[in-house]
Amino acid sequence: GAGVSQSPSNKVTEKGKDVELRCDPISGHTALYWYRQSLGQGLEFLIYFQGNSAPDKSGLPSDRFSAERTGGSVSTLTIQRTQQEDSAVYLCASSPFQETQYFGPGTRLLVL
Amino acid sequence: AQKVTQAQTEISVVEKEDVTLDCVYETRDTTYYLFWYKQPPSGELVFLIRRNSFDEQNEISGRYSWNFQKSTSSFNFTITASQVVDSAVYFCALSEAGTGANNLFFGTGTRLTVIP
Repeated sequence: GAGVSQSPSNKVTEKGKDVELRCDPISGHTALYWYRQSLGQGLEFLIYFQGNSAPDKSGLPSDRFSAERTGGSVSTLTIQRTQQEDSAVYLCASSPFQETQYFGPGTRLLVL
Repeated sequence: AQKVTQAQTEISVVEKEDVTLDCVYETRDTTYYLFWYKQPPSGELVFLIRRNSFDEQNEISGRYSWNFQKSTSSFNFTITASQVVDSAVYFCALSEAGTGANNLFFGTGTRLTVIP
């Protein structure tokens, strides 16, 4: 079956621009997570969606980061006014409720 | 506060050797889950195993085995007869069921290099 997909695979942007990263979870998975992997910070949790509940945004590093999940499926992570420290690999994962998370291939973001 | 420690940053072994990757965790929850993920050079995180806090039985899957000991808060991972394809970064992770979110707290990873 199809796994978690993410687009784009790579994104290069200029400092100050906005970017949108997309995640398509595994069909039927009610939970969706965003993580960030960077050299300095390792793997860190950003945000969690579960069904129609309000998202857990406790991991978002600043108010420049936001995410939405439409129709309980596709999710978009938006970073406004990008900074060089936002350069990282952004990973999406999905799971059935409280079950094992399966990860997508990630989006590698480079902010120049 | 929750924490996962992987003290071994890098390990190199010669093919066919056995290798153990250490993981020590901290949590105040009584119900939690422990995971191992593999990240090969391609970059994608591959799920290997999930254990809940109430199940301390060791598990074996082919050349892989896991030793979970609550008394020492450890969840170690052993690869027997290592192969070059085992070269990757391995992450141990914890999720706390009590929070409801089940987001993963990762260790810093252990980079394993298997030399042919």
